[in-house]
Amino acid sequence: GAVVSQHPSWVICKSGTSVKIECRSLDFQATTMFWYRQFPKQSLMLMATSNEGSKATYEQGVEKDKFLINHASLTLSTLTVTSAHPEDSSFYICSARDPGGPSGELFFGEGSRLTVL
Amino acid sequence: DAKTTQPTSMDCAEGRAANLPCNHSTISGNEYVYWYRQIHSQGPQYIIHGLKNNETNEMASLIITEDRKSSTLILPHATLRDTAVYYCIVRVLFGNEKLTFGTGTRLTIIP
Repeated sequence: GAVVSQHPSWVICKSGTSVKIECRSLDFQATTMFWYRQFPKQSLMLMATSNEGSKATYEQGVEKDKFLINHASLTLSTLTVTSAHPEDSSFYICSARDPGGPSGELFFGEGSRLTVL
Repeated sequence: DAKTTQPTSMDCAEGRAANLPCNHSTISGNEYVYWYRQIHSQGPQYIIHGLKNNETNEMASLIITEDRKSSTLILPHATLRDTAVYYCIVRVLFGNEKLTFGTGTRLTIIP
């Protein structure tokens, strides 16, 4: 089946630094990918929609200058958390739909756990 | 996407059938019912989806009421590995692709 992979699976960084998380569709091309954030014991919250070759669409309340999204190819989207602070510590998850799939389901990456010290 | 309502948590004995309910009373005619689950510290995993007919795959069965206002996900023989948060979502097939997650049901399988 379709696979979406994220890297790194976990990262620890100092406050003020920037962290990049990659999301790859391994066996299909995805014109659209989605980035979610999940805090402990909470549900997934959609942050933005990543569109290949164009600007990302951010959900209300998500700072586009802080969470930079680049979807440079049909198999790769990156999320950069700029000037990270402890409150940005969270579980970040990406997803993508296989346009060749029959049922329209979205496939999710394994998630990337960010800890900002 | 229409909203859904699920119980916050449920327990089920290992080996028994786990029945997870979901209410989606405002579902539109062209919206499907999707089920995902999230095991601790992993990304969500697709389970099953359906429009109005009951569906079954290797993981689970989906029973949708005739009026489509509610559904039940059935795990026929629950194992400890089925302990997870289960999300019921309604959305248009191939339409608006954003998935909005509710709080889901935390299912705990008890040995």
